[in-house]
Amino acid sequence: SQKIEQNSEALNIQEGKTATLTCNYTNYSPAYLQWYRQDPGRGPVFLLLIRENEKEKRKERLKVTFDTTLKQSLFHITASQPADSATYLCALDMSSPGNQFYFGTGTSLTVIP
Amino acid sequence: ETGVTQSPTHLIKTRGQQVTLRCSSQSGHNTVSWYQQALGQGPQFIFQYYREEENGRGNFPPRFSGLQFPNYSSELNVNALELDDSALYLCASSFRQDSTDTQYFGPGTRLTVL
Repeated sequence: SQKIEQNSEALNIQEGKTATLTCNYTNYSPAYLQWYRQDPGRGPVFLLLIRENEKEKRKERLKVTFDTTLKQSLFHITASQPADSATYLCALDMSSPGNQFYFGTGTSLTVIP
Repeated sequence: ETGVTQSPTHLIKTRGQQVTLRCSSQSGHNTVSWYQQALGQGPQFIFQYYREEENGRGNFPPRFSGLQFPNYSSELNVNALELDDSALYLCASSFRQDSTDTQYFGPGTRLTVL
């Protein structure tokens, strides 16, 4: 069965530094991978989508890489700010009808001022 | 805010009861997916509705059922509630049923089963 692993430990970094979050998966070859942000008590918010034929995608201070050989995606937040503190989820498409996704367990990020 | 609304916000039920959760999708969206998110876990896909038809189902028993209405709003019904059903239930809507299409999540319904 599909297994998606994200940094199991919470990540604490100093403001201004780059946060790097990891998403590893097994037993599957997704065509797409998405990253979401989730704040406590709220639903996830879509951040970025990367396709299997794309190595890297950027959006403002965010960067995502997708290595289908390693079965890994890295999510970077540069010049981190306390407002970036949240849980970040990666999600893989199931290649079933529609946009159905397997989600990882998420990584909690805290940016310390 | 995404424009996806869910009701109720919180709900407390006892084991064996039945519950109905509601979701209004964002205007113009014809696809609704439901997810279950246990504490400290990522969302788990329950099922998806596209134009009033079930369009895929995750690994959930038949006591989890759903409905989508002509206005594309949706309901999630859970029968014979179990303690493990306690979770945040999220619905997400999208403009079309395409893996590249952005899903917009509602705030969720927190269900507690005692």
